[in-house]
Order: sequence, then structure tokens, then C-alpha cells
Amino acid sequence: QKEVEQDPGPLSVPEGAIVSLNCTYSNSAFQYFMWYRQYSRKGPELLMYTYSSGNKEDGRFTAQVDKSSKYISLFIRDSQPSDSATYLCAMSPIDQKVTFGTGTKLQVIP
Amino acid sequence: DAEITQSPRHKITETGRQVTLACHQTWNHNNMFWYRQDLGHGLRLIHYSYGVQDTNKGEVSDGYSVSRSNTEDLPLTLESAASSQTSVYFCASSRDRVDEQYFGPGTRLTVT
Repeated sequence: QKEVEQDPGPLSVPEGAIVSLNCTYSNSAFQYFMWYRQYSRKGPELLMYTYSSGNKEDGRFTAQVDKSSKYISLFIRDSQPSDSATYLCAMSPIDQKVTFGTGTKLQVIP
Repeated sequence: DAEITQSPRHKITETGRQVTLACHQTWNHNNMFWYRQDLGHGLRLIHYSYGVQDTNKGEVSDGYSVSRSNTEDLPLTLESAASSQTSVYFCASSRDRVDEQYFGPGTRLTVT
């Protein structure tokens, strides 16, 4: 079993829809939780960064962490075609290496 | 502006050849990482460094080596390229050990 599980998709939604992306994990030591966005043939770039449990909002993006369920989510409101990309969750214990999910490919159709 | 660059962007090589992929960052970050990205596996850590003269093995280090002689560069060497090493390779750097990692544009390597 992988430490971090992420549905690869692809996920296809109409423009304006609310998108929900999720990851589950097995390592209870994970404390830092991140979402990276990767456009085709580009390197990943950090989108959201949270520590421990709770929610964090940044514009149209909301990251949620539920440590009791070992489950994290990224919500995208009013999705745009420019949001079409692969979204990677990532997490790590304190002061240790980051483990990445395999990524979910999202397509927002105009 | 600070950046992280990789070269070459594309490389085709033959089985058994030694290949070196370059990574250069101008962020002045102490931490640098090499990943490979394959369909179904996501990003897997090959080697990483927390500073000059420091190198550490990641989860898929067999057949790869790195050296860190200065802050800016972490070259990745494939000692004897194998077809299983056909992949997209990303270099990344970060200020702190658990911090935002800045990724390079990637090197697409094909071993024939």
C-alpha cells in the first residue's frame, strides 16, 4: 500500500463547476500538507500549504485537512479552463522528506 | 529573478552510456532534490542534498549518483543508463527542509 493515495482521474468538469480533489494517506506522522499544480510539460508549482488539521482558503482555492480520517481535499470554486492541469498532493512529517501523490488530471471544459 | 534551470531539456542516449543531467538554482537554497516522474508512480525521490558536500539517497537511488560541490548546482549522473531510466527528471530546491519546493522545467530522458 502506498503511503499516499490519489485518484489519477482524469476528471472532466464544465467551466464554473466546483471541483473536489482528494488524497488519503497512511502515515500518521504527516504534519505538513501541500497541493501542487502541474501544467503539461512543466514542473510542479506550489498552490496551497497547510500545517496540521483545518482549512485554508486562497481565492478560489480551499484546502482541507482531516487528520483523524487521514484525508485531505482541495476545492476549486468557479473552475476555469486555465485550471486544467494535474494536481499533486504532497505531505511530510516535521523536518523530513516530502511524499507526493501520483496526481489527478483535471480538465475544465469551456 | 531567482530561478532553477535544468539542462538538457531533452536527451536521447544509448543503454550503458553515462549521462549527467544538470541542475542550477539561483535562490541560494541549501536544499536540493532530484525526482523522476513516471505515469502511475508520480514523483519519486532519487537523491537529495541539505547543503554543500551533503548527499542522501532517496527511494529510487540505484543507478544514480549526485555530488554537491557548491550551493547552486546538483548534477545527477546515471552511471550506466538503462531503459528503465527512461523518464522525466525534475530538480527542485527549497529554503528549509519542509518548505515550498521550487521545481525546474524538467529533463525528458530516453534510453534506447
